[in-house]
Amino acid sequence: EAGVTQFPSHSVIEKGQTVTLRCDPISGHDNLYWYRRVMGKEIKFLLHFVKESKQDESGMPNNRFLAERTGGTYSTLKVQPAELEDSGVYFCASSQARAAKNIQYFGAGTRLSVL
Amino acid sequence: GEDVEQSLFLSVREGDSSVINCTYTDSSSTYLYWYKQEPGAGLQLLTYIFSNMDMKQDQRLTVLLNKKDKHLSLRIADTQTGDSAIYFCASLTFSGGYNKLIFGAGTRLAVHP
Repeated sequence: EAGVTQFPSHSVIEKGQTVTLRCDPISGHDNLYWYRRVMGKEIKFLLHFVKESKQDESGMPNNRFLAERTGGTYSTLKVQPAELEDSGVYFCASSQARAAKNIQYFGAGTRLSVL
Repeated sequence: GEDVEQSLFLSVREGDSSVINCTYTDSSSTYLYWYKQEPGAGLQLLTYIFSNMDMKQDQRLTVLLNKKDKHLSLRIADTQTGDSAIYFCASLTFSGGYNKLIFGAGTRLAVHP
């Protein structure tokens, strides 16, 4: 069974440009999460989808970030326009619906460098 | 908000035991997790413990939970060079009707011969 996959693995863009990150969760997982790790600090929650619905987007930094999950399958996270402080590693995770232990399976992450 | 703290770096000799410590603030956390990140790889779930347990052992890994002090530790017995990685502690927090993970900054474990 394929795990959580993220594209691209690394993206280098200039300040002001737009970048779109993609996450393919494990097949059948209703829950999809985005997290971010900036400058070697803690991994911070960004938002949570249940199927195609945003359930919790309390961690989204500002309105330059837009996450979508059309059809409840893969998800995209767009940053427009990118700023220097958006640099970091963006992780996606998925879990089964109503999983008692809430085990979240993570992708390898996308390293975003904004120059 | 809720918080998880970890020491940032640990260096051990191959064959020794490693102990990575973590403290958390959410006393209502139901599960606590340890994730491992090897260079260039994603987060791999190593182990987890339910909040009503105080110890869990899984081969070379021992997790100790002191719920009163909100302290979690991960002990790796007979540490090998392949154990070199960043270890993240995470607590499961219920907020806004749904669960989310609160992570620490990660402890970089370096194993030397």
